[in-house]
Amino acid sequence: DGGITQSPKYLFRKEGQNVTLSCEQNLNHDAMYWYRQDPGQGLRLIYYSQIVNDFQKGDIAEGYSVSREKKESFPLTVTSAQKNPTAFYLCASSKPVGVATYEQYFGPGTRLTVT
Amino acid sequence: AQSVTQLDSHVSVSEGTPVLLRCNYSSSYSPSLFWYVQHPNKGLQLLLKYTSAATLVKGINGFEAEFKKSETSFHLTKPSAHMSDAAEYFCVVSDPSGSGNTGKLIFGQGTTLQVKP
Repeated sequence: DGGITQSPKYLFRKEGQNVTLSCEQNLNHDAMYWYRQDPGQGLRLIYYSQIVNDFQKGDIAEGYSVSREKKESFPLTVTSAQKNPTAFYLCASSKPVGVATYEQYFGPGTRLTVT
Repeated sequence: AQSVTQLDSHVSVSEGTPVLLRCNYSSSYSPSLFWYVQHPNKGLQLLLKYTSAATLVKGINGFEAEFKKSETSFHLTKPSAHMSDAAEYFCVVSDPSGSGNTGKLIFGQGTTLQVKP
């Protein structure tokens, strides 16, 4: 089955530690995205990548870093510089469905709790 | 700049009654619009999309939405609610001119649908 996997589903870390969230897709999509979801705030874009070895900051990139060494993988590192890291993190990939229009597919998410 | 507003943060209906989730958008160009559903602690699933074809769009699980350019709206409806419809719903806009062909989407704040037995 094609899809997007995120691991782990739940992650617990101590404050001050960096943590890396995994995102893998086998849909052969070029573009991938990371979102953060907080209650009542919808989804906010952290980083996105349109092609291997290239990525751009989204709306809330501070305190996060990414890499895109392979088409299938787009890991997100939450660094100790992120002031409020506890959140639900969603990874997505997209395919074109029209002229300059893309449809995004989402993974199941990782819930990160930092104490 | 493009934006999307979901007019209700919470909607409660009884099982078997119609569902209406309201969404207005703002776009400087001809937008593509989507509705996604999210069940608790799950990822988002695409319900339906409008990409400048028919203005009445049918999606999965009996949902449909109508694109009304004059009202800048894209409301989601279902004739008869089922208990399994209880979830968070997101209205989403993609504006090619604003996103620079990056595939970026703009999400509404979400509407929580409660279905009472």
